[in-house]
Amino acid sequence: DVKVTQSSRYLVKRTGEKVFLECVQDMDHENMFWYRQDPGLGLRLIYFSYDVKMKEKGDIPEGYSVSREKKERFSLILESASTNQTSMYLCASITLTQYNYGYTFGSGTRLTVV
Amino acid sequence: KQEVTQIPAALSVPEGENLVLNCSFTDSAIYNLQWFRQDPGKGLTSLLLIQSSQREQTSGRLNASLDKSSGRSTLYIAASQPGDSATYLCAVRRRPGGGADGLTFGKGTHLIIQP
Repeated sequence: DVKVTQSSRYLVKRTGEKVFLECVQDMDHENMFWYRQDPGLGLRLIYFSYDVKMKEKGDIPEGYSVSREKKERFSLILESASTNQTSMYLCASITLTQYNYGYTFGSGTRLTVV
Repeated sequence: KQEVTQIPAALSVPEGENLVLNCSFTDSAIYNLQWFRQDPGKGLTSLLLIQSSQREQTSGRLNASLDKSSGRSTLYIAASQPGDSATYLCAVRRRPGGGADGLTFGKGTHLIIQP
């Protein structure tokens, strides 16, 4: 089974800190994604990546950046954390080579910015 | 812009009942549709994936249908059990290439199965 692993389940950070959220997948998937999930707003796409060193903005990229130096790892960076970035963050991956495969999600990182 | 709506937002039924969760989307030009389950505080678990050319998919007690032309999908759960209690999310995938990939999600149906 494909595994998408998010390194932290819970994080508490202070306003203004630089925050790194890490995601690793073990199935050589080309596409990786970062979403955030908020009550009443559902899941929203922040950034995604088609390949190493490639990145594309999603629907809500403001305040975030990403890094993909290796195919299996996709990092979400909060350059200067703010309280409105308190949320559940979900990483996902998908392959381009298997038509009938869907998205696989990690178990999420609950980030609280105080 | 694609919008996905799930009805009802919440549902509570006694154990053993068959039930239907509804999902509608505004743009029928989708690549596929995926149903997920989310337990409280956890990530998403994929339940069923339906390609745009397919009409339905089945897995155990779950059956998902897709009517792309009318922009609708349903998730049918047979003989519901308390362990089915969770939030169910519907998501449509935009056509890959030539722009943003990714899924557009509905806000989910929060399901409670009463023992």
